[in-house]
Amino acid sequence: AQSVTQLDSQVPVFEEAPVELRCNYSSSVSVYLFWYVQYPNQGLQLLLKYLSGSTLVKGINGFEAEFNKSQTSFHLRKPSVHISDTAEYFCAVSPRPAGSYQLTFGKGTKLSVIP
Amino acid sequence: EPEVTQTPSHQVTQMGQEVILRCVPISNHLYFYWYRQILGQKVEFLVSFYNNEISEKSEIFDDQFSVERPDGSNFTLKIRSTKLEDSAMYFCASSGGGTRGTEAFFGQGTRLTVV
Repeated sequence: AQSVTQLDSQVPVFEEAPVELRCNYSSSVSVYLFWYVQYPNQGLQLLLKYLSGSTLVKGINGFEAEFNKSQTSFHLRKPSVHISDTAEYFCAVSPRPAGSYQLTFGKGTKLSVIP
Repeated sequence: EPEVTQTPSHQVTQMGQEVILRCVPISNHLYFYWYRQILGQKVEFLVSFYNNEISEKSEIFDDQFSVERPDGSNFTLKIRSTKLEDSAMYFCASSGGGTRGTEAFFGQGTRLTVV
């Protein structure tokens, strides 16, 4: 079984400042790692994913995340946020090898970008 | 850009009534999923569907739930006798095969309110 912990439920940050959203996971098997974003009244959109290879992955909208196996973390970062980044961000894992790619989500972090 | 479509966007039903939530996955995808998000809580996996049968289901997916792919395009979730605690946002998702299976595309969700 897997579990995902997002340590911050809300993160306010000023526009053009950097941000880091934290994610830790627990799993008895190797996992794939994901970050999804949910804008108001919309579905979940994939930001980025880690399957294998380089531990630093780049996603859409200037976001990146780094997989740290020893710390079982997959923190999301952006060097300079925009107002349009205001949304809820979900970290998720799925077991590998995957039979159905079932995702286990964290509780989400609401990012509020302040003008 | 292909997308997952869910209907209706919002459904209100009386406790004990049956509801059917509908989804049109992306046309060449092979895996189909339902997730739900109770207000203020994390997104939870309900069920995955592959090759015309359920491949995995969670503890939440009890006998009152069922899924069906009645034709080549629709994927439905039926709740036989709704309870107040079934009130949630229900997300449909689909993914391709192989490594493409690791990216699940989500619909915008159906908000189910049981009164």
